[in-house]
Amino acid sequence: DIQMTQFPSSLSASVGDRVTITCRASQNIDSHLNWYQQRPGEAPHLLIFAASSVQTGVPSRFSGGGSGTDFALSISGLQPEDFATYFCQQSYSVPGTFGPGTKVDI
Amino acid sequence: EVQLVESGGGLVQPGGSLRLSCAASGFTFRRYWMHWVRQDPEKGLVWVARTNTDGRSATYAGSVKGRFTISRDNANNTLYLQMNSLRAEDTAVYYCVRDCATSCSDAFDIWGQGTMVTVSS
Repeated sequence: DIQMTQFPSSLSASVGDRVTITCRASQNIDSHLNWYQQRPGEAPHLLIFAASSVQTGVPSRFSGGGSGTDFALSISGLQPEDFATYFCQQSYSVPGTFGPGTKVDI
Repeated sequence: EVQLVESGGGLVQPGGSLRLSCAASGFTFRRYWMHWVRQDPEKGLVWVARTNTDGRSATYAGSVKGRFTISRDNANNTLYLQMNSLRAEDTAVYYCVRDCATSCSDAFDIWGQGTMVTVSS
């Protein structure tokens, strides 16, 4: 199975900050990398697919990049509703493994 | 509104069985591959199983293969997960998710609210 790691595991930020979360795959996954946001008590929801494509309805302050094994999710101008946990997931091969998550809090 | 609603979770003893259901609405269910994903605080998000559009092909995580069965009823827009020989380590929130296929690179674009399964004596 492809292993996914994320860094950092948690970070503290303020409203208006720009934050970047990184994700690394244990082998080349091309651009088959997705990002999800999960607020407390809610299910995850899709933010970014194919490494850099923003899902419909997701604010433009979210962006993604990378290919191969190294990827990043950036949030520019953090908003109160962005304080949540973020997961990366590879959809290159089954099983579609997830990273352990990065918690963004105040 | 596109929606997935799970049901069937609960408390079950080790070795017991449970069947989860997921009612789909707001989209053409039969056109999408569907998955089950579970989440617990220790292991995080873990993919469990998937089924193709007509239900004739299924794939499982190694940890559940031989114990869990994914199936679907396209006439009634419902996805199922039959879980047998349950273990304590199967305790988790189980999510029904839609695979968006080529429209978003096989990401999971729709998630249910989740149903809690607790395996304990």
